[in-house]
Amino acid sequence: AQSVTQLDSQVPVFEEAPVELRCNYSSSVSVYLFWYVQYPNQGLQLLLKYLSGSTLVESINGFEAEFNKSQTSFHLRKPSVHISDTAEYFCAVSEGNTGFQKLVFGTGTRLLVSP
Amino acid sequence: NAGVTQTPKFRVLKTGQSMTLLCAQDMNHEYMYWYRQDPGMGLRLIHYSVGEGTTAKGEVPDGYNVSRLKKQNFLLGLESAAPSQTSVYFCASATGFSEQYFGPGTRLTVT
Repeated sequence: AQSVTQLDSQVPVFEEAPVELRCNYSSSVSVYLFWYVQYPNQGLQLLLKYLSGSTLVESINGFEAEFNKSQTSFHLRKPSVHISDTAEYFCAVSEGNTGFQKLVFGTGTRLLVSP
Repeated sequence: NAGVTQTPKFRVLKTGQSMTLLCAQDMNHEYMYWYRQDPGMGLRLIHYSVGEGTTAKGEVPDGYNVSRLKKQNFLLGLESAAPSQTSVYFCASATGFSEQYFGPGTRLTVT
């Protein structure tokens, strides 16, 4: 069975500092990987996804994540965070052998950016 | 396009009462999902549907029922609410190999 581990429940960081949010997964087959972001009192929005091809994927607001098959990881990084990046971030995995996506989510990492 | 909408946004129930949460999507998606979100537990799948007229159990289905009579709607029912069902409920929809699109959520409190 698939599982997703986000070891850090909360990551405090100062504005303009770099950040890495860790995600590890377990699966015996090929996977699709996602990062979702949830701003306070809102639903989840897709931040970026890995389906196939290049192992480094980027979002439009400066986040990137790298799929590492040997380490079964999909860590999220940003070189310089803004106050507006304060949110909860969820890593999710889906086994990629069918068109139907049943996602398994991690427990989330709350990113707290302070001035 | 409204995307995925959920009604109501908030609800308070007494133990034993029943209610139905409505999810609607206007993207012609085949797949729809209901999740619950609890602090420190991420999102857990309650039920899902792979098409009109079909439903299936997810990870935490007990105490909930669902129906998908129309492709665009996915209803989640609580027949006899319990305090353990206090949560934020999210609906999502998807098609093919796309990501899931989420609604804004319903905050339910059972007293």
